Amino acid sequence: DILMTQSPSSLSASVGDRVTITCRASQSIRTSLNWYQQKPGKAPNLLIYGESTLHTGVPSRFSGSGSGTEFTLTISNLQPEDFATYYCQQSFEAPGAFGQGTKVELK
Amino acid sequence: QVQLQQWGAGLVQPSETLSLTCAVYGGSFSGYYWTWIRQPPGKGLEWMGEINDSGSASYSSSLKSRLTLSVDRSQNHVSVSLTSVTAADTAIYFCARESAYCAGGGCSTHLDFWGQGALVTVSS
Repeated sequence: DILMTQSPSSLSASVGDRVTITCRASQSIRTSLNWYQQKPGKAPNLLIYGESTLHTGVPSRFSGSGSGTEFTLTISNLQPEDFATYYCQQSFEAPGAFGQGTKVELK
Repeated sequence: QVQLQQWGAGLVQPSETLSLTCAVYGGSFSGYYWTWIRQPPGKGLEWMGEINDSGSASYSSSLKSRLTLSVDRSQNHVSVSLTSVTAADTAIYFCARESAYCAGGGCSTHLDFWGQGALVTVSS
């Protein structure tokens, strides 16, 4: 099975900051990498799929990059509603493993 | 708009079977895979398995011996059954629709619609 490793597990940031989250796959997954945002008590929401394609309605301050085994989610100009937990997920093959999550907290 | 609505027993006795159902409203049921994910309280997401409308399924290696996914195409329902549960199976269980995306000669999938989640507690 493919293992996904996310870093950091948490970070503190201020409104307006640029935030970067990294996700590494244990083997090449080409560009089959998705990012989700989850707020407390809610189901995750899809942000980015296919490594860099923004899901409908997702603000352009979110961006994804990478390929192969290393991927990055960047949030530029962090907004109050962006404080949440973010998960990467590989969809190259089943099982579609998730990373451990990165909690973005207010500094 | 696609909506996924989940229901099932919220409290299950240890060694018994956990069962949940997910109903799909407002969109096509066929042509998609339907995925189950769970999240222990305060922890991360765990992919459990997926099934399409024809009943073709894939399962997590760690749950495969205890997990069964099924579909009822007549009612647009997807169900999960997990046998011999323990306290470690206490979690919020989500169903989600898996959509495909093809570009550059390759295809991948993503989970674009999710159910509201159902907390299942395993306790006597």
